Amino acid sequence: QVQLVESGGGLVKPGGSLRLSCAASGFTFSDYYMSWIRQAPGKGLEWVSYISSSSSYTNYADSVKGRFTISRDNAKNSLYLQMNSLRAEDTAVYYCARAYGDYVLRYFDLWGRGTLVTVSS
Amino acid sequence: SYVLTQPPSVSVAPGKTARITCGGNNIGSKSVHWYQQKPGQAPVLVIYYDSDRPSGIPERFSGSNSGNTATLTISRVEAGDEADYYCQVWDSSSDHPGVVFGGGTKLTVL
Repeated sequence: QVQLVESGGGLVKPGGSLRLSCAASGFTFSDYYMSWIRQAPGKGLEWVSYISSSSSYTNYADSVKGRFTISRDNAKNSLYLQMNSLRAEDTAVYYCARAYGDYVLRYFDLWGRGTLVTVSS
Repeated sequence: SYVLTQPPSVSVAPGKTARITCGGNNIGSKSVHWYQQKPGQAPVLVIYYDSDRPSGIPERFSGSNSGNTATLTISRVEAGDEADYYCQVWDSSSDHPGVVFGGGTKLTVL
């Protein structure tokens, strides 16, 4: 069925690295922009990054720019987030989401269940 | 950067109408999307393009957007509508547009 499944979360020390993955199924992954969105414990949603369908365009929230890298492998129907120089404030559930629509009209019509990243010594 | 402002909480009795606002500078010129998130679950899209409903979302959910305020309206509120609600737009003020979420509103059904 149509779904997104995140993996790769866990406990990491400040300054460490982690790579998240998101496996897509049930739809033509290469047709869609994809995004990572996170939610710190007890807090609201925060957009992290997006990548275009062909990987030509990426963008990042200022809070992660220079530390996180989004990528995708359309042959493997997979989205990734490489997170370096992790900080305590990066602790959150990270959601993978599909963006539907055109340009700045896009909305997130499909979400994964999320993977928890905890940054602590 | 573009800021979206939502009330932290809204309370409503069952069967009544709940209105959740999302304020932003000239938000009426943007396309606003709304998400519902229940505890321990991923967000679910309930309104897109200001007022369109995805399939499977009850007609009780509606949206509007004008001026500096977008509004999510839930008619005949049910206990199952209790959740956090987030508005979302794109900030296209730079060459590289980014996504903006409101801070979220907790809807309590009394």
